Amino acid sequence: DTAVSQTPKYLVTQMGNDKSIKCEQNLGHDTMYWYKQDSKKFLKIMFSYNNKELIINETVPNRFSPKSPDKAHLNLHINSLELGDSAVYFCASSQVGEDVLTFGAGSRLTVL
Amino acid sequence: RKEVEQDPGPFNVPEGATVAFNCTYSNSASQSFFWYRQDCRKEPKLLMSVYSSGNEDGRFTAQLNRASQYISLLIRDSKLSDSATYLCVVSPLLGNTPLVFGKGTRLSVIA
Repeated sequence: DTAVSQTPKYLVTQMGNDKSIKCEQNLGHDTMYWYKQDSKKFLKIMFSYNNKELIINETVPNRFSPKSPDKAHLNLHINSLELGDSAVYFCASSQVGEDVLTFGAGSRLTVL
Repeated sequence: RKEVEQDPGPFNVPEGATVAFNCTYSNSASQSFFWYRQDCRKEPKLLMSVYSSGNEDGRFTAQLNRASQYISLLIRDSKLSDSATYLCVVSPLLGNTPLVFGKGTRLSVIA
């Protein structure tokens, strides 16, 4: 059983397109996150949701819009994709009050 | 000064060697500290938490020095399977504040 699963694993698309990445966790965690890992391997927080409520929104262009239909799901929609959006996007989850993250396998986005 | 700094490496060591990584953090109020391991093209996974008193898990020993604001990871008797990137992770405050990841130190264990 995969604890944190995200789809698609790979995404290749043209500049200007809109794409979504989905994430689901079956750990019963209350908090979910999106992290971006760029070509220099720097892993940076983008968003954090606690029980469907947005609690962290780092400096991310508003082309990125997270949506949490329930506490087990956190999706990421990206409008008007740019070359600089190429990265690996990791979904993660944790229990409230705990700092340990469980990551999904990552979604590698390539914008051409 | 970056929030979490690590030597990117790579550290190339022979099997059986002992290798140590250090990591410094800038926020003196930081509460929790971790080492994560990331294999090539995989997700980060928790290796171990770092406690004030230091802690050991098999061949791995983690130490925290709050006065100097650094964390260390020691790997004894290196195995080929230890080859990975080791990420130093710091939690600035308790509760729902984002973990801050270092850029990682790459380790290659050579036969």
